[in-house]
Amino acid sequence: GDSVTQMEGPVTLSEEAFLTINCTYTATGYPSLFWYVQYPGEGLQLLLKATKADDKGSNKGFEATYRKETTSFHLEKGSVQVSDSAVYFCALSATSGTYKYIFGTGTRLKVLA
Amino acid sequence: EAQVTQNPRYLITVTGKKLTVTCSQNMNHEHMSWYRQDPGLGLRQIYYSMNVEVTDKGDVPEGYKVSRKEKRNFPLILESPSPNQTSLYFCASSLRSAATNEKLFFGSGTQLSVL
Repeated sequence: GDSVTQMEGPVTLSEEAFLTINCTYTATGYPSLFWYVQYPGEGLQLLLKATKADDKGSNKGFEATYRKETTSFHLEKGSVQVSDSAVYFCALSATSGTYKYIFGTGTRLKVLA
Repeated sequence: EAQVTQNPRYLITVTGKKLTVTCSQNMNHEHMSWYRQDPGLGLRQIYYSMNVEVTDKGDVPEGYKVSRKEKRNFPLILESPSPNQTSLYFCASSLRSAATNEKLFFGSGTQLSVL
């Protein structure tokens, strides 16, 4: 079945460091791919998305490119801030059988000043 | 303000005592769903609803019930809670049910502890 695998955390970085959080997926058909972010004590909110191969989603300095050949959707940011500390979830949405979202296990990011 | 509202935020209960977690959205969304979040397991879907009176099981439906009598409300019912249902629960909604590129809007979560 469909699945999402993302790197385990926690990831600890200094402010202004480069961030990569890896995400790979398995899916039949043509899923849409998402990154959601969860700040402490809050629900998840959409960070960015891509709906077809080679699309690049971007928001708040974060980027991710839908790579069908490597089935990946890695999240990157050139210079992280303390305010980026949160849990990041990679997810896919597919219609294989029933309409549903599948989430990865989440990666906790901690940015130190 | 467009939002998904869950109540309560925190709930401590005892084994076997029926409880309901409410969820309401004010965006006229077709799709609503419930997830539970557990360490190391990410978010897992419990139930979802494609529209009023249309509900279906997600990946972990055992021990839960839902109903969708009105478009805005989607309560989660635990008829006889057990300790393994201790978890962080999220309600979510999206505008259309049959599109794969829809953004999910999440509530703030309900932390449930079953003793």
